[in-house]
Amino acid sequence: DAGVIQSPRHEVTEMGQEVTLRCKPISGHNSLFWYRQTMMRGLELLIYFNNNVPIDDSGMPEDRFSAKMPNASFSTLKIQPSEPRDSAVYFCASSLVPFGGGQETQYFGPGTRLLVL
Amino acid sequence: SQQGEEDPQALSIQEGENATMNCSYKTSINNLQWYRQNSGRGLVHLILIRSNEREKHSGRLRVTLDTSKKSSSLLITASRAADTASYFCATDAGSTSGSRLTFGEGTQLTVNP
Repeated sequence: DAGVIQSPRHEVTEMGQEVTLRCKPISGHNSLFWYRQTMMRGLELLIYFNNNVPIDDSGMPEDRFSAKMPNASFSTLKIQPSEPRDSAVYFCASSLVPFGGGQETQYFGPGTRLLVL
Repeated sequence: SQQGEEDPQALSIQEGENATMNCSYKTSINNLQWYRQNSGRGLVHLILIRSNEREKHSGRLRVTLDTSKKSSSLLITASRAADTASYFCATDAGSTSGSRLTFGEGTQLTVNP
C-alpha cells in the first residue's frame, strides 16, 4: 500500500488566496483526521471523519476553514481566505476504527507545508 | 495542561546510551500509543499499549504503563544516531472522545554519534 497520500507537499500563497489541501487515506480505513502542526501550538486536531461523516470539528480554527470527505478515498481541507497565521504543516492521517469505537494506530501522510505570505 | 504531556521536552545523549521519555495524562484511557517524528516528516506509530497491560516490548523499545499514576514511559535501549527525532505519546480515552487520539507536545531526542 502507498500509505496516506497528501498533495501538494509544499504550498506558498499570498494572503487572501484560497488554499486546498488534499488527502487520500489508506484503502479500507474508515477514519480520517486532519491535523495542523506549528512550533508554537504543537500538533492540533482540526477535524476527523468516521465513514465519511464529520464527527468532531471543534478544532477548526474559524469559518475560514472547511473540510469535506465526499467518498472513502478522498478528503479536502480548504482555507478561504488564507492568512499568514495559517502557515503550518498540515497532516492527514487515517485509521481503521474497530466496531464499537476506540482507536487503533493512526497512519500519517507526509504533510503539506503551507506558507502564507 | 494537556492530556498527554511528555517529559523531558528535550533530551540529548550519546550513541549507545539508553533514552527514557515519560508521558503523563489526566483521564482514563483505553490505550496509549507512542509515535516518532523525524524532522520534516509525518508521525510514525511505534507501539501501542492497552490499559490492561503494564509493559510491552518491540525491538529496542520498551513501554510501561501505570494506570494508577496515569503515566507511561518509553525506553529506547542502545540508542543510535538514527533515533534522533521527536517522540509523542497519544491517548485514546474511548467513548468520551469518540475515535480521536490526543497527542502530547513531544520530547525532542538527540543522539550524538
